[in-house]
Amino acid sequence: EVQLVESGGALVQPGGSLRLSCAASGLSFSSYWMNWVRQAPGKGLEWVASIKQDGSEKNYVDSVKGRFAISRDNAKNSLYLQMNDLRAEDTAVYYCASFRAVAGIFWGQGTLVTVSS
Amino acid sequence: QSALTQPASVSGSPGQSITISCIGTSSDVGGYNSVSWYQQYSGKAPKLMIYEVSNRPSGVSNRFSGSKSGNTASLTISGLQAEDEADYYCSSYRSGSTVVFGGGTKLTVL
Repeated sequence: EVQLVESGGALVQPGGSLRLSCAASGLSFSSYWMNWVRQAPGKGLEWVASIKQDGSEKNYVDSVKGRFAISRDNAKNSLYLQMNDLRAEDTAVYYCASFRAVAGIFWGQGTLVTVSS
Repeated sequence: QSALTQPASVSGSPGQSITISCIGTSSDVGGYNSVSWYQQYSGKAPKLMIYEVSNRPSGVSNRFSGSKSGNTASLTISGLQAEDEADYYCSSYRSGSTVVFGGGTKLTVL
């Protein structure tokens, strides 16, 4: 059974930092593009970042460029999202998802990030 | 980065068919065969229903079908059932190696 388990979500003050993790099991982790997708409370899905199988290519939505960094450790079957200079508009449930053919095949249950003073 | 355009809500009676549209541009929907559709129940993770415009993953009912014409993609659900009541999102590859989602459509089964 494929499992993607996110962790690291928390309440953080504006301007603060947070590191999200996603532990993968039951799939050939190194074979997939991995992505972070977020969903603000009561809002729709928003793609945040993606990373190629070997980590050689990383892409970001404009609103997080320069503040967020996606990375992966294939030896640990893990995906990460380093989030700096957090803003209120970054408040959301963050999902980790494995993509193939630009489609999210497997998704985690999400971790909540709340940015508030 | 503007989202793809979906109707906020659609509704239908059990047994009927409904279609949800997803309007993009030549830089995303119209330019690539990389449109996906997701079903999401409240408080749950999204589930992939259609990929590459019209392909169904294993285990997804054949009542779900996808198509594309120009810059508009569509999801059709036939033989509507109560369990289909959920939010639906389209997504597409967008030039520049990014992914864009639609705003989401709430499906109500009357």
